Parts: sequence; C-alpha cells; structure tokens
Amino acid sequence: SQTIHQWPATLVQPVGSPLSLECTVEGTSNPNLYWYRQAAGRGLQLLFYSVGIGQISSEVPQNLSASRPQDRQFILSSKKLLLSDSGFYLCAWSDWEGYTFGSGTRLTVV
Amino acid sequence: AQKVTQAQTEISVVEKEDVTLDCVYETRDTTYYLFWYKQPPSGELVFLIRRNSFDEQNEISGRYSWNFQKSTSSFNFTITASQVVDSAVYFCALSGPRYQTGANNLFFGTGTRLTVIP
Repeated sequence: SQTIHQWPATLVQPVGSPLSLECTVEGTSNPNLYWYRQAAGRGLQLLFYSVGIGQISSEVPQNLSASRPQDRQFILSSKKLLLSDSGFYLCAWSDWEGYTFGSGTRLTVV
Repeated sequence: AQKVTQAQTEISVVEKEDVTLDCVYETRDTTYYLFWYKQPPSGELVFLIRRNSFDEQNEISGRYSWNFQKSTSSFNFTITASQVVDSAVYFCALSGPRYQTGANNLFFGTGTRLTVIP
C-alpha cells in the first residue's frame, strides 16, 4: 500500500535561518507530488508541485523553493526564513483515486 | 478560474443534532472533481469523498451524506446524529480534469470548523 512520510512534525526556527522539510512516498512510482501551506485559521494554498524528477512548478512566488532529487522524494527549502513563513506545511501525492496528504509539519518562525 | 467557497466559518451543534456544511464552487471545466476532507486537531487531512462532475447521485456513508447539485454548483455535506468525534475542520476542494494523469492543483475552500458539544 502507498504511504507518505513527512518530517519533522514540528519545527521552531529563528528568522533568517535555513529550512529543509522532507517528504517521501512509498508504494508507488512517478507520483505527482505537492507542497501545500496552511496559515493559521486559513485554507490550504498550493506552493509547489512536481510531475517528475527535477520538474518543479511554483504556484506562489516567495522565498521558498522545492526540489525533487529522487522519484519519491520532495523537499521544501528556504535559505532565510521569514516570520510570514510560519504555518502548517503538508506534502501530498495524487493518483487516479485522489490526493493523499502527509501528517504535516508545523513550522513556527520566531 | 476555479474557486471554492465555504461560507460557514464556524458551526457549533449539540451532540446528536444533524448539521450541514455548505460548499459552493466555480469552474469553467466540464470535467472536474470535488472532494471533502476532514482535519482533526492533529492536523492531518483525512479523505472523506471524491465525486466527479458526471455523477450527481447523492452518496451516503454511515452518518455522512453528500448532496451534489450541478445546477447550483454546490456540494454540501451532512452529518446525521453528530458526535463529539466529528469535531474538526472540514474542507471542500475542487480539482480540474488532469489530476489523474498529471499534476493539477487542488483548490481548497477556507474550511468550516465544526464543534460538537456533548
């Protein structure tokens, strides 16, 4: 069966520090992968999606970036975090049945 | 443009009451998919249902039921005999025709926070 792993679960980082969130998928090949962000009290916003290794599309311009070094690995990064980057980050993958989400990373930038 | 509107920000009901969560969508696609997700306090999104635009049959799953009406662009969700465990944020979402074969954004509403009071 397919599973999606996302870590860390929580993270507190100072402003200006770098960020790396990792997401891996098991049990499927060549998945479509996504990074979503949920700001406090708001809906989910698509940040990046990827249809294959090295293929990244950005939906929202910002100081975040994404990379897909392997078929089932999707990484969200930042060189310098801003206070506004705080939020709940969710990785997801999609197939014909729908979208499956990871358990999320709660990022607090202080 | 695609858009999902969940006008109800927060709803509180007493246990065993029925509650309906509204969802209205906008899309220019003739083929599209509608979803409902539940987000409990733990944060992860739990898939509840997917419905494609060609299937307007209402669906019932236990205490949950969904009413899809293309004429009013609505996909409402009803919980019958609500329970405390139903307390969560519920999201309605919309995707275009390519989500099955290629990346396609899942557009979310802003969610409805349901609180079931014991």
